[in-house]
This record gives sequence, C-alpha cells and structure tokens, in this order.
Amino acid sequence: DAGVTQSPTHLIKTRGQQVTLRCSPKSGHDTVSWYQQALGQGPQFIFQYYEEEERQRGNFPDRFSGHQFPNYSSELNVNALLLGDSALYLCASSDAGLGNTIYFGEGSWLTVV
Amino acid sequence: KNQVEQSPQSLIILERKNCTLQCNYTVSPFSNLRWYKQDTGRGPVSLTIMTFSENTKSNGRYTATLDADTKQSSLHITASQLSDSASYICVVITGGSYIPTFGRGTSLIVHP
Repeated sequence: DAGVTQSPTHLIKTRGQQVTLRCSPKSGHDTVSWYQQALGQGPQFIFQYYEEEERQRGNFPDRFSGHQFPNYSSELNVNALLLGDSALYLCASSDAGLGNTIYFGEGSWLTVV
Repeated sequence: KNQVEQSPQSLIILERKNCTLQCNYTVSPFSNLRWYKQDTGRGPVSLTIMTFSENTKSNGRYTATLDADTKQSSLHITASQLSDSASYICVVITGGSYIPTFGRGTSLIVHP
C-alpha cells in the first residue's frame, strides 16, 4: 500500500505564474483534503473533495482551486502566485467515515520567487 | 472564531525523561480531537483520535487526555527517545462541517 503520494516534491515558480500539485490518496480512501503549511506554522485547511465535489472550503481566495477525479486522485491549482504562497502543501486522505484516521502525504514544497 | 492554542511553543528535554504538551481549543461544535507528530519537512503522522466521550487514549509511549468541559487536551510522552524530536500538532475537528483547525504545534527536542 503506497499511502498518500504527492507530486512534485519540490518546485520553484515565479510570481504571477500558475501551479498544479497532484495527490493520489491511500488505497480505499475516497476523501481528499488539501492544506497549506507555512514555515513554523500549523497546516491551514484549504478545501476537501468527496465524490468529485468540493465539500468544504477554508478561508482561501478563489486563486486556489481543485479537482477530484473518478479514481479519487486530486489536483490543487493556484493561479497568480504570490510570494506568500510559498509553503509546504499537504494532501491528506481518509474514507468517508468522519472519525477515521486521516493520512497525510509528504507534501509538495512550493517556493515562489 | 475557532482556535487551537498549544503550549509550550518549544521544549527541550533529556532522553528517557517524560514530558507533557498542552492544547486548549475554542472550536465549537466539537467533533473530535487529534494529535499528530510531524518530523521536519515531512507530512504529519496520526498519534491519537479522541471523541467527546473519551478521556484518555494511549498509543505506545504516547498518552492523550481530553477534558471536553474545559476544552483542554494534553499529550504525555513517556521515557522519551531521540526519535521523538519533532513537532506535535493538536487538531480539533468541528462538528457538522468537519473542518479541521490546527494548532501551531509544539517543537520537541530530545537531547542525549
């Protein structure tokens, strides 16, 4: 079981560019959430996808968008990148049982210059 | 506003000593509380999950407590090891929406 896998692991983008991050959930999981973790901070909830629909959303601007595919994998898209978007982006998966363990991927490190 | 506050911000202890980390929250309504361990540059790993009715839950040398009346939780680490050096994050899940609120974490350093 590969667990939650994310790609790419590291990337550097320029202000104003767009970025797409990818996530494959743990086998058997149908719910994917995305988080932004700035250096020295706790993760901040961006949004959650279930059955290809955005189910919940945190306090992030519309520049942050996502998608979930029929195989439950997911993408996070960020448009018009700002320097402040530099962070570790974490993907987590779980099954629809709300008390179940959430498994995190190793994250994608995004640096905006 | 839903908030999770953790203390101390950082902690240095000697190997084989015990320590306790604190978490206070204002999240309402409450669904459950989770503790995660995050090694530097890695994704968080789940340690415990506690619902409203659970007061204590253990996972090896880690023991979490929950007082839902005072909205406080603690994570006790027994006989610390060098590999316990990490950030420990408290997460509270909001009932209904199930949106998680993360604390900023306690950075633990275990010295030999």
